[in-house]
Amino acid sequence: GNSVTQMEGPVTLSEEAFLTINCTYTATGYPSLFWYVQYPGEGLQLLLKATKADDKGSNKGFEATYRKETTSFHLEKGSVQVSDSAVYFCALNSGGSNYKLTFGKGTLLTVNP
Amino acid sequence: ETGVTQSPTHLIKTRGQQVTLRCSSQSGHNTVSWYQQALGQGPQFIFQYYREEENGRGNFPPRFSGLQFPNYSSELNVNALELDDSALYLCASSSGLADRYNEQFFGPGTRLTVL
Repeated sequence: GNSVTQMEGPVTLSEEAFLTINCTYTATGYPSLFWYVQYPGEGLQLLLKATKADDKGSNKGFEATYRKETTSFHLEKGSVQVSDSAVYFCALNSGGSNYKLTFGKGTLLTVNP
Repeated sequence: ETGVTQSPTHLIKTRGQQVTLRCSSQSGHNTVSWYQQALGQGPQFIFQYYREEENGRGNFPPRFSGLQFPNYSSELNVNALELDDSALYLCASSSGLADRYNEQFFGPGTRLTVL
């Protein structure tokens, strides 16, 4: 079955530091890949997505590239801000009849001023 | 455009009771999915409704059931509550099944505590 493995957290960084959160996946076929963000007390928001190999998703300074050869979709940001503190979830959607999302366990990011 | 809304925000029940959670999908969306997010875990797919029919189910027992109404709003019902049912329940809506690239828009969730 499908699965997503994320880097264990928590991750604590200083403002303006470089961020990488690793994500690898196992899936049949050609999944679409997503990063979602969950701020404290809120639901999930889509951060970025990539739908085929070598696609790069980007949003709000965050980037992730769909690497089929390494089955990875690592999240990066060059300079984090305090407002980026949240839980980040990697997810995949492998199609089929109901297009359910399969999520990783999440990585808590705390950015200190 | 109104986003996905869920009610109630918080709920406390005791073991063995039944609970109904509600979700209003985003305008123009006909597909609703429900997820359970246990503390410190990623969301787990419960089931999906498309045009009032169940369209796929995750690894959850039959005491988890649902409905979708003609206006595409949805309910999640859980019978015979167990302590492990304590979680954040998320509803997500999307504009249809035909495109697996369709974004699922999530509501803020209902926090269920079972004592």
